[in-house]
Amino acid sequence: EPEVTQTPSHQVTQMGQEVILRCVPISNHLYFYWYRQILGQKVEFLVSFYNNEISEKSEIFDDQFSVERPDGSNFTLKIRSTKLEDSAMYFCASSERAGVAFFGQGTRLTVV
Amino acid sequence: QKEVEQNSGPLSVPEGAIASLNCTYSDRGSQSFFWYRQYSGKSPELIMFIYSNGDKEDGRFTAQLNKASQYVSLLIRDSQPSDSATYLCAVNRETNAGKSTFGDGTTLTVKP
Repeated sequence: EPEVTQTPSHQVTQMGQEVILRCVPISNHLYFYWYRQILGQKVEFLVSFYNNEISEKSEIFDDQFSVERPDGSNFTLKIRSTKLEDSAMYFCASSERAGVAFFGQGTRLTVV
Repeated sequence: QKEVEQNSGPLSVPEGAIASLNCTYSDRGSQSFFWYRQYSGKSPELIMFIYSNGDKEDGRFTAQLNKASQYVSLLIRDSQPSDSATYLCAVNRETNAGKSTFGDGTTLTVKP
């Protein structure tokens, strides 16, 4: 069964460093998303990506964040100058149609 | 008022019983509604989605939508211990290209 794949599963970084979280969406899907979930809190939308551009982003997704689909298969989230409060589980998701999202297993980001 | 509100739980039912999970939403423009299951430490897993008023059944799961009351529910028949998880309600406005707004989730425990 096709699935969304995320790497790494766990990333530890020092405050102020840049991290890149990687995702391989399901191959025939058109919509791509990043969500995050701080421990014990709800899943929060960060950004959606369609037709090679950002279709929507949340207030959380400020200039510190960027997304890219560099080669037609990967979908990346870059966080510049990480802060302690960026520590969370980051989920990539993809869908054939808007909203019906299939989530990857997540990357746990720990900023120390 | 929260955009998507769920009973915080925890909800406990005996094995074989019907579990009823409820969700209300504040945006009358919402068009599509999703239920995800999330096991502890894992990613959300899509269970069902519903777009039209009424009931939608899939195996032991039934989603119910009432747009006039801004209410969506999930019934789980013949509950099993493996159904023990946190259930997330998510809501979309189609025009937002798939952004989902999640509730805090309801934790369900099915006791053998």
